[in-house]
Amino acid sequence: GAVVSQHPSRVICKSGTSVKIECRSLDFQATTMFWYRQFPKQSLMLMATSNEGSKATYEQGVEKDKFLINHASLTLSTLTVTSAHPEDSSFYICSARGPSGGPGEQFFGPGTRLTVL
Amino acid sequence: QKEVEQNSGPLSVPEGAIASLNCTYSDRGSQSFFWYRQYSGKSPELIMSIYSNGDKEDGRFTAQLNKASQYVSLLIRDSQPSDSATYLCAVEGGYNKLIFGAGTRLAVHP
Repeated sequence: GAVVSQHPSRVICKSGTSVKIECRSLDFQATTMFWYRQFPKQSLMLMATSNEGSKATYEQGVEKDKFLINHASLTLSTLTVTSAHPEDSSFYICSARGPSGGPGEQFFGPGTRLTVL
Repeated sequence: QKEVEQNSGPLSVPEGAIASLNCTYSDRGSQSFFWYRQYSGKSPELIMSIYSNGDKEDGRFTAQLNKASQYVSLLIRDSQPSDSATYLCAVEGGYNKLIFGAGTRLAVHP
């Protein structure tokens, strides 16, 4: 149980294009999902909290107009990087609260490696 | 600002030894603590969660929590080369958000 998938696993795009990343909870319903970004040799940085049926809550310093998050169902959240630039190249990881986990427990998707040329 | 501190390592231990990973946190009100393992190029995998003071054991892993000292640790017994990874300490920082430490890189050599 508590399996989270992400698609695509890897994407290369040209500067200025938009990229959509999907995060799915496969065997449970996730009312809350989280989006992280991880640069090489650094830890995970929370970008936003995604709540089903409502607007995402962004962390300080994260541009909400650049990183569009939609949580349209209990099993799907999407992150769209709009007008991507090389500095947006990173490892993007989503997570979800497990179905019966303790407070704060999160299960992570496999991640999406974005490279912007 | 809530912070989680870890020694970045690398921590090098011989195969079969005990690896000890440490973490301190700044928010005295934190109640939930987690250890994640992350292999290079992969996403984090939950190893242990601990909510009460004391020890919690799961197989070769033991998590230890001391809220008075704001300290949480992870012991890995009988370390194997496959345990070589970065270990992330995470603390629940309110609203089910996790605050991660920078991670400790563990290298288990044969």
